[in-house]
Amino acid sequence: ETGVTQSPTHLIKTRGQQVTLRCSSQSGHNTVSWYQQALGQGPQFIFQYYREEENGRGNFPPRFSGLQFPNYSSELNVNALELDDSALYLCASSLGQTGGAFFGQGTRLTVV
Amino acid sequence: GDSVTQMEGPVTLSEEAFLTINCTYTATGYPSLFWYVQYPGEGLQLLLKATKADDKGSNKGFEATYRKETTSFHLEKGSVQVSDSAVYFCALSVADSWGKLQFGAGTQVVVTP
Repeated sequence: ETGVTQSPTHLIKTRGQQVTLRCSSQSGHNTVSWYQQALGQGPQFIFQYYREEENGRGNFPPRFSGLQFPNYSSELNVNALELDDSALYLCASSLGQTGGAFFGQGTRLTVV
Repeated sequence: GDSVTQMEGPVTLSEEAFLTINCTYTATGYPSLFWYVQYPGEGLQLLLKATKADDKGSNKGFEATYRKETTSFHLEKGSVQVSDSAVYFCALSVADSWGKLQFGAGTQVVVTP
C-alpha cells in the first residue's frame, strides 16, 4: 500500500506567478484535503475534495483552487502568488469524510 | 468556532523523563480528537486518536484520554527518548465539517541525552 506522495518537494516562485502542486492519495482513499502550514504554526485547512467535487473550504481566497481526478489524485493551484503564500503545503487523504487523515511530506513553497 | 489550544513550547526534557503536553478544545459538536507528530523536514504523522468521551488513544508509548468534562486531550509518555524530539499537534474534527482538521499551534519537544 503506497502512502500519500506530493510533488515537488520544494519550489521557488516569484510574486504574481501561478503554481500547481500535486498529490497522490493513499491507495483506496477517495477524499483529499489540502492544508497550508506557515512557519512555526499549525496547519490551516484550505479545502477538501470528495469524489472529484469540492466538499468544503476554509478561509482562503478564490485564487486558491483545486482539482481531484478520477484516480483520486489532486492538484492545488494558487494564482497571483503573494509573499505570504510562502509555506509548507500538506495534502492529506482519507477514506470518506472522517478525521484522522494520512498526510504527505508536503511541498515547501517559497515566494520571492 | 472550533478551536484547539495547546501549551507553548519548546518543552525540553532529559531522556527517560515524563512528558505531558496539555491540549484543550472548544467545539460546537462532538469532536474526534487527534495527536499528530511532525519530525523535522517531514509531514504530519497520526500518533493517536479518540472518537468519544472517555476513550483513550495510545501508540508508541504515548497516551491521551478524551475528557469531555474538562474539554481536554492531554498527551503523555512515561519515558521519552531522544527520537521523540519533534513538534506535536493536537487537532479536532467535527462530524459535520467534512473531516476538516482544526489544529493547535503545535508544541516543540526537545529531548536531550
